[in-house]
Amino acid sequence: GQQVMQIPQYQHVQEGEDFTTYCNSSTTLSNIQWYKQRPGGHPVFLIQLVKSGEVKKQKRLTFQFGEAKKNSSLHITATQTTDVGTYFCAGPGNTPLVFGKGTRLSVIA
Amino acid sequence: DTEVTQTPKHLVMGMTNKKSLKCEQHMGHRAMYWYKQKAKKPPELMFVYSYEKLSINESVPSRFSPECPNSSLLNLHLHALQPEDSALYLCASSRGNEQFFGPGTRLTVL
Repeated sequence: GQQVMQIPQYQHVQEGEDFTTYCNSSTTLSNIQWYKQRPGGHPVFLIQLVKSGEVKKQKRLTFQFGEAKKNSSLHITATQTTDVGTYFCAGPGNTPLVFGKGTRLSVIA
Repeated sequence: DTEVTQTPKHLVMGMTNKKSLKCEQHMGHRAMYWYKQKAKKPPELMFVYSYEKLSINESVPSRFSPECPNSSLLNLHLHALQPEDSALYLCASSRGNEQFFGPGTRLTVL
């Protein structure tokens, strides 16, 4: 079945440093979504990418969808303590949404 | 109203108990979901309801029994659970691909 791999598993950064998480699918995706889960919280939808090569920005967050629609990345510029949490990519597969394992971001002030 | 609500927030139950988790949304979404999330893991899909009918059951043990009384409500009935069923149970609803998650019920089975 379709698998969504995500790296790194953990990332510790100093406040102000940049952060990137990468997502790779074993199959071509019709779309990919990104969710953020704060510690003790629930997943919150951030964005959906649909088009090949698509790039979307939300303030300090930049999301990319690969040309082959098999990979995606989330880049955060100048991290802040409010960015702490686990970032999941997710795409359609055998079920409506298959989540990657997530990248847990810690930001040291 | 753009949120999914879940009750209770926390639940502790014994292996012989029967309990129910409740989920409600008033966004008019016709797809609703139950997920199970263990610590430091991604959410795992359990059930999907589409237009109040069960459309996906991800081989979930029968001690978990979902119910969709109407388009706004989703229940998960629990009976004879095991300690390994302790987890965060998340409800979600969707319009299109975007899923809106509730805050979850943190379940502990003793």
